[in-house]
Amino acid sequence: NAGVTQTPKFQVLKTGQSMTLQCAQDMNHNSMYWYRQDPGMGLRLIYYSASEGTTDKGEVPNGYNVSRLNKREFSLRLESAAPSQTSVYFCASSTISSYNSPLHFGNGTRLTVT
Amino acid sequence: AQTVTQSQPEMSVQEAETVTLSCTYDTSESNYYLFWYKQPPSRQMILVIRQEAYKQQNATENRFSVNFQKAAKSFSLKISDSQLGDTAMYFCAFMKIQGAQKLVFGQGTRLTINP
Repeated sequence: NAGVTQTPKFQVLKTGQSMTLQCAQDMNHNSMYWYRQDPGMGLRLIYYSASEGTTDKGEVPNGYNVSRLNKREFSLRLESAAPSQTSVYFCASSTISSYNSPLHFGNGTRLTVT
Repeated sequence: AQTVTQSQPEMSVQEAETVTLSCTYDTSESNYYLFWYKQPPSRQMILVIRQEAYKQQNATENRFSVNFQKAAKSFSLKISDSQLGDTAMYFCAFMKIQGAQKLVFGQGTRLTINP
């Protein structure tokens, strides 16, 4: 049982380049999330998808786009990377009743933008 | 909007000691969930303990327990008989029950257990 799988694990981009972070879960969860983690700021929500076919902005959506490709997959795209997007990115998933089945996280992608 | 504050960026204790990590939050909701997550150097996010706001009784999970003070909006984590494997970042998190179920995290506390 793989849980939440993120690819790649590490990535270095130059300013202005684009890339897509991939996330897939095999737990049949309805909801999926993208967070970024920065020192001293904890994890902040970028975008989320409460169910297949829906996406909504979180706390820090600027500079990002997402696609809920199907129930399993939720990708995060940086169209024109900036140094301020250097961070560790986490994908997570959950069922509707998140208290009893709290968020399951992937292992993160460390992104550096130079 | 909800906010979560962890006022201790770093803490360090000796193995076998008891340590308490602080967390306060701000919300106008009357019912919600609170969580503590652990992030070891592997970067994996691990759920440590959770609390439902409408439950008076403090949650416990083995060596981990919370002190939930709803009126004060405080949710501290106590680790008893600390072990080297407890060394990690610890995040306090809040979740509304109504509406989209998103976790709001605090800034984190880096805990080091010394041998």
